[in-house]
Amino acid sequence: GAGVSQSPRYKVAKRGQDVALRCDPISGHVSLFWYQQALGQGPEFLTYFQNEAQLDKSGLPSDRFFAERPEGSVSTLKIQRTQQEDSAVYLCASSLGDWPLIYSNQPQHFGDGTRLSIL
Amino acid sequence: EDKVVQSPLSLVVHEGDTVTLNCSYEVTNFRSLLWYKQEKKAPTFLFMLTSSGIEKKSGRLSSILDKKELFSILNITATQTGDSAVYLCAVAGSQGNLIFGKGTKLSVKP
Repeated sequence: GAGVSQSPRYKVAKRGQDVALRCDPISGHVSLFWYQQALGQGPEFLTYFQNEAQLDKSGLPSDRFFAERPEGSVSTLKIQRTQQEDSAVYLCASSLGDWPLIYSNQPQHFGDGTRLSIL
Repeated sequence: EDKVVQSPLSLVVHEGDTVTLNCSYEVTNFRSLLWYKQEKKAPTFLFMLTSSGIEKKSGRLSSILDKKELFSILNITATQTGDSAVYLCAVAGSQGNLIFGKGTKLSVKP
């Protein structure tokens, strides 16, 4: 597709339920990132994939958060036993370059995000 | 701790005004600084800056980086209502991820 595609756009879940958020990066993009954006804040890094390898997961807030990209394209962010503090917009971004080019001449392109609300 | 601070947090101007948005940073092993525009949906890429003193320009928008003083500015001339958005500044450091500021919310009144 032309851009990064995320689904669903909106997700409402009850506290304690598991949720799965999907990201389709731009075709051919090697690098994929997940961010969490709380209301009125800038995005905060969660995790980074280079192809199918998860090279950095230092931003995942707890072991309830899990991400995968098994074939190096589509990625899924899973949150288990959701809590109210998980309510946020989850953004996915992809980049043509791999480390370290992604930070010198290949910008990240973002999807529209999934707005997650935990009741 | 790496951090990015944007100012002002919000700004209201009238069409035709020129605005300057500020971004200062403290990052270990700086690699690049990026500006994004975020309306209701995805942040859209504006500029990536890696070298000091070289202005990047796109239409009415321009940006420059000062690696000695650790800041960048984003200028918008002859503002239009369509420029209304949150402008995000992000810096890539040694940890391998982008660190974002809180953004500047720009409102352009007709």
